[in-house]
Amino acid sequence: AQKVTQAQTEISVVEKEDVTLDCVYETRDTTYYLFWYKQPPSGELVFLIRRNSFDEQNEISGRYSWNFQKSTSSFNFTITASQVVDSAVYFCALSESMIYNQGGKLIFGQGTELSVKP
Amino acid sequence: DTGVSQDPRHKITKRGQNVTFRCDPISEHNRLYWYRQTLGQGPEFLTYFQNEAQLEKSRLLSDRFSAERPKGSFSTLEIQRTEQGDSAMYLCASSPPTREGPGEKLFFGSGTQLSVL
Repeated sequence: AQKVTQAQTEISVVEKEDVTLDCVYETRDTTYYLFWYKQPPSGELVFLIRRNSFDEQNEISGRYSWNFQKSTSSFNFTITASQVVDSAVYFCALSESMIYNQGGKLIFGQGTELSVKP
Repeated sequence: DTGVSQDPRHKITKRGQNVTFRCDPISEHNRLYWYRQTLGQGPEFLTYFQNEAQLEKSRLLSDRFSAERPKGSFSTLEIQRTEQGDSAMYLCASSPPTREGPGEKLFFGSGTQLSVL
């Protein structure tokens, strides 16, 4: 069965601290996509990144970076020098079995609520 | 460019009543998804349309749930004979045409929060 686990339910940091959000996934598929989405208090999920299973290069985008390790089935997300505006719930997600036309059918983790205090 | 719009934002109903939610995707997005999110959990997939065709429904979608996308533009999700367990945030998302298969970027609306009393 496919599954995404985000073991950290809540994290609280002080502004400018670095923080890492963990994500572990399970799948039998050899081809799959992993995602991170951000859900601010307004409710809409905002896409942050997509990574396919064949691309294990780490990615950096500004203060955000992602570490994909297939050997440990992990796709962790680090925010450097956190800011108050980073406060939100962050979800890791896995694409379901890769049949064309299934589109954005995702399995989400339970989410990690990040609180950044000034 | 407007985002995905959902109406209403909040709905309070009594058990046993029918409710209908509307989703307007981003124009030219041919794929539309419905997800359900309960408190403290991640969204769960409910159903998916490509244009007007409903291509997949989750086992979570009981017979009391029905979704339509009649002209391949907006979509409605109806719940008949609501139960307290239906209380949740109902999220709609859309994605543009792409040559890629699964794994596309989804654009989400702010959701409709349903409370069944």
